[in-house]
Amino acid sequence: GQNIDQPTEMTATEGAIVQINCTYQTSGFNGLFWYQQHAGEAPTFLSYNVLDGLEEKGRFSSFLSRSKGYSYLLLKELQMKDSASYLCAVQDSNYQLIWGAGTKLIIKP
Amino acid sequence: ETGVTQTPRHLVMGMTNKKSLKCEQHLGHNAMYWYKQSAKKPLELMFVYNFKEQTENNSVPSRFSPECPNSSHLFLHLHTLQPEDSALYLCASSPKGESSGANVLTFGAGSRLTVL
Repeated sequence: GQNIDQPTEMTATEGAIVQINCTYQTSGFNGLFWYQQHAGEAPTFLSYNVLDGLEEKGRFSSFLSRSKGYSYLLLKELQMKDSASYLCAVQDSNYQLIWGAGTKLIIKP
Repeated sequence: ETGVTQTPRHLVMGMTNKKSLKCEQHLGHNAMYWYKQSAKKPLELMFVYNFKEQTENNSVPSRFSPECPNSSHLFLHLHTLQPEDSALYLCASSPKGESSGANVLTFGAGSRLTVL
């Protein structure tokens, strides 16, 4: 079967750095997405990785290793507004999205 | 505001009621989706429409009935639901369906459904 694993919840301190991991086992691979979802709001697109390596976008970076079936989202200089759930999703060989259950990130002052 | 608007934002209904959820997108996208989001579970894809044609129905019970009158509007008709159907129902759109490249979804804020 197809599976995406990510931690259920993480806690970090304002101003610090946090890394949210995502491992996947899917039927084929056509890219990995990260979405951010604040409580009561719509998930919003953060990043897309299809090739190995690190993609940096401001305070957020996303890394992919296809050989290891592994990605992480790195958040630097954490702000209180970064408190949200972070969803990892993989496009399989049929371009269908397989979703993880999300990681709830709690930022403390 | 994402460009995808869902109404109502909250809905409470009894098991014998009939109600509908509405989704509208102002992004000029050609594909629209219904997802179910339950606490601590992955998003569950329910239905996909490409250019108004239904292309996926992921074994969803018939008590959920989708309707896509045009590429900007999507409805989810609900009837004789069960308490386990209580969840957040998310609508999304994308420029194209699941075909190639990065299919980035734009989501609405969801309709929170409670079935008593």
